[in-house]
Amino acid sequence: QVQLVQSGAEVKKPGASVKVSCKASGYTFTGYYMHWVRQAPGQGPEWMGWINPNSGDTNYAQKFQGGVTMTRDTSISTAYMELSSLRSDDTAVYYCARDLMFGGFGYGMDVWGQGTTVTVSS
Amino acid sequence: QSALTQPPSASGSPGQSVTISCTGTSSDVGGYDYVSWYQQHPGKAPKLMIYEVTKRPSGVPDRFSGSKSGNTASLTVSGLQAEDEADYYCSSYAGYNIPYVFGTGTKVTVL
Repeated sequence: QVQLVQSGAEVKKPGASVKVSCKASGYTFTGYYMHWVRQAPGQGPEWMGWINPNSGDTNYAQKFQGGVTMTRDTSISTAYMELSSLRSDDTAVYYCARDLMFGGFGYGMDVWGQGTTVTVSS
Repeated sequence: QSALTQPPSASGSPGQSVTISCTGTSSDVGGYDYVSWYQQHPGKAPKLMIYEVTKRPSGVPDRFSGSKSGNTASLTVSGLQAEDEADYYCSSYAGYNIPYVFGTGTKVTVL
């Protein structure tokens, strides 16, 4: 079945970096844009950016430009999101999510990973 | 880009209907027919319930329906069931650089 499986919870100190992985299965990984969305405790989701797994092109939300890097490894159908210079307000659950439209984005996110909790604390 | 505005809470008895609004601007909700709705149970990932304003993904009950008028989109849940109790978030396309802007969220309670 179509699924996204993310890496486990992380605890980091302020100023550190974190890299979260998202392994796709059950569909053509290179055919669908992958998004990263985060959700701080008690808050709504926040879109961080997308990666086109076919080309490697990325587009980051303005808020995260300069701090986030999204990459992929097509040989293992895995997307990655690295966030640097972590602060306490980066504490959140981070999700990868597939765009529902083959080759497009903005239509809706139909498959989600289980989420990775990142805690930033000294 | 500001978050879309939703009422914090909504409720209804089993079998009744509840409608949640999602208000944006002409730059997001009013400008595109790419509004989606997500259901989220505590500790779980969001689940897509409606996309492109009115379309339901396979497996989503037809009790869930969506609509839009001007800068406001709506989600209606008919025939409320206990399992519909969850947080609901709308989202809208707002351009190439902001494909997803989310709403503030609505907690639906089944009385």
